[in-house]
Amino acid sequence: GQQLNQSPQSMFIQEGEDVSMNCTSSSIFNTWLWYKQDPGEGPVLLIALYKAGELTSNGRLTAQFGITRKDSFLNISASIPSDVGIYFCAGQTNAGGTSYGKLTFGQGTILTVHP
Amino acid sequence: GAGVSQSPRYKVAKRGQDVALRCDPISGHVSLFWYQQALGQGPEFLTYFQNEAQLDKSGLPSDRFFAERPEGSVSTLKIQRTQQEDSAVYLCASSLGWAFTGGKNIQYFGAGTRLSVL
Repeated sequence: GQQLNQSPQSMFIQEGEDVSMNCTSSSIFNTWLWYKQDPGEGPVLLIALYKAGELTSNGRLTAQFGITRKDSFLNISASIPSDVGIYFCAGQTNAGGTSYGKLTFGQGTILTVHP
Repeated sequence: GAGVSQSPRYKVAKRGQDVALRCDPISGHVSLFWYQQALGQGPEFLTYFQNEAQLDKSGLPSDRFFAERPEGSVSTLKIQRTQQEDSAVYLCASSLGWAFTGGKNIQYFGAGTRLSVL
């Protein structure tokens, strides 16, 4: 099935460093979302973006919805050990078509933070 | 509870067995989605329910996969004659639905059922 192109696949950083990851698609999405998944758990929403060009922050997290509506990035500033996990981008189309808002996910970025 | 609940959390099946995976969505959520997550991959869409109606089953990989939501709340994903390639985490997500959210239709995920087919 279709998946978004997410990079990097993995990152190993020191505590306190900033992190950046991005996601691209060949298709346009109306909404971009970023989820975090811990081992043995389901994805948890971090940030949702609803408008092209939108820049949104949630604490140390900042995400942007690309102007072309085909890409998004997520930045994490001053990383801490609890940031460890897998980060997924997801694109969502509105229910105006037949997608019913189903999500298309990237392959994930595995983040490891060394204390 | 307040979140999406899935059971069982883990299921081991012998090849050829039938399995049933249960999802209890957040109360009042109209939309319900099933996703399949293979090891090391992002979740992939399987099927969608709006109340009790299954409106999209385009992601189901074969006719061995069947999902239902007869009363518009609890949903069951059934896999018949399981194969090794069915081994994955099966995630359920629910949302209020477009009519109630003005386009901000956020999906909330359960913890998933990890299926291992031996």
